[in-house]
Amino acid sequence: DAKTTQPNSMESNEEEPVHLPCNHSTISGTDYIHWYRQLPSQGPEYVIHGLTSNVNNRMASLAIAEDRKSSTLILHRATLRDAAVYYCILRASYDKVIFGPGTSLSVIP
Amino acid sequence: EAGVVQSPRYKIIEKKQPVAFWCNPISGHNTLYWYLQNLGQGPELLIRYENEEAVDDSQLPKDRFSAERLKGVDSTLKIQPAELGDSAVYLCASSLDWANADTQYFGPGTRLTVL
Repeated sequence: DAKTTQPNSMESNEEEPVHLPCNHSTISGTDYIHWYRQLPSQGPEYVIHGLTSNVNNRMASLAIAEDRKSSTLILHRATLRDAAVYYCILRASYDKVIFGPGTSLSVIP
Repeated sequence: EAGVVQSPRYKIIEKKQPVAFWCNPISGHNTLYWYLQNLGQGPELLIRYENEEAVDDSQLPKDRFSAERLKGVDSTLKIQPAELGDSAVYLCASSLDWANADTQYFGPGTRLTVL
């Protein structure tokens, strides 16, 4: 199974942008890059996903490197409610979702 | 639209006792998943259902864990007997179509404490 590497933890000041990195050097051509996040005492929730091109939605942006060996989840203005564990996951069709330990994001008021 | 519903939210039992968790997926979602999440770790898949069929239960400890999804809607995960190491959060998730890597929607989980 393709694997991802993320920093264990990151800090951000409130209302500032946050860039959460993810390395996936063994990504295959059919792997989509998915991001989920898990708020305290809740189940994970979907954030965004992409294949090759950068993606934007109401929650975040996903920037994918040209060689697809890394990606960055961008929160444009961090709020206290964005404090969560963020998981970067590679997944192809017919593939399991495999969660790593993720990045624990702290947001400082 | 209602999300994935799980009950109970919290359960405390003594070791060797049985316990059961219930999950109601999002309406119309054919695929249902049960995950186990230990403290500080990401969720790990226990079992996946396509409608009423368990198509991936390779990570389910079958000596003490069992699951069912009658009629392809609600599902129950059971542990009998529970051990101290089973203390964890049990998450249920559902998706429209697993094959196309559809988004998974998770419930809030059941936090199990085994004393």
